[in-house]
Amino acid sequence: DGGITQSPKYLFRKEGQNVTLSCEQNLNHDAMYWYRQDPGQGLRLIYYSQIVNDFQKGDIAEGYSVSREKKESFPLTVTSAQKNPTAFYLCASSGEFNQPQHFGDGTRLSIL
Amino acid sequence: ELKVEQNPLFLSMQEGKNYTIYCNYSTTSDRLYWYRQDPGKSLESLFVLLSNGAVKQEGRLMASLDTKARLSTLHITAAVHDLSATYFCAVGRETSGSRLTFGEGTQLTVNP
Repeated sequence: DGGITQSPKYLFRKEGQNVTLSCEQNLNHDAMYWYRQDPGQGLRLIYYSQIVNDFQKGDIAEGYSVSREKKESFPLTVTSAQKNPTAFYLCASSGEFNQPQHFGDGTRLSIL
Repeated sequence: ELKVEQNPLFLSMQEGKNYTIYCNYSTTSDRLYWYRQDPGKSLESLFVLLSNGAVKQEGRLMASLDTKARLSTLHITAAVHDLSATYFCAVGRETSGSRLTFGEGTQLTVNP
């Protein structure tokens, strides 16, 4: 069954700590994305990657980093520089240009 | 910069009634998507609109696109409680590659 798997579902970060959110897809999609969603708000793009070994900053990249070493995987690191990391993080992927993005189930990150 | 605005942001309606959600965007776009999000869940793709005058229907929901007016509508016919969710439109431009810009979302509550 093809899809996008995000883990963990819930994550807690201590002060000064970096944490990494996992996103894996088996849809054979070239493009992958990370979004942040705050309560009652829309999605804001953090980073995206249209092809392996390449990625671009989105609208709110500060305090985050990504890598795209494999087509299936696009992990997001929330660094200690991100002062307000509490949010719902959604990973997505897309295949052919006009097709919709497919979303994972999300990771909810909170500060301890 | 592409801006996407939805209205209303909150909509409370009775079962059996009709209503329309509007999605305006600020610059020329070549594709528009509608998504549904249930509370605490991920996003589910509803419609893909790729050309001026495009109309798609699924059950009680119908989406349309007017590229000249830079406007898409999501029409709800004879609402039922199961349609309660947040609905997002998302817009893409060829010059931005595969990335999308999301609206703030319309939180729909259908009351018995």
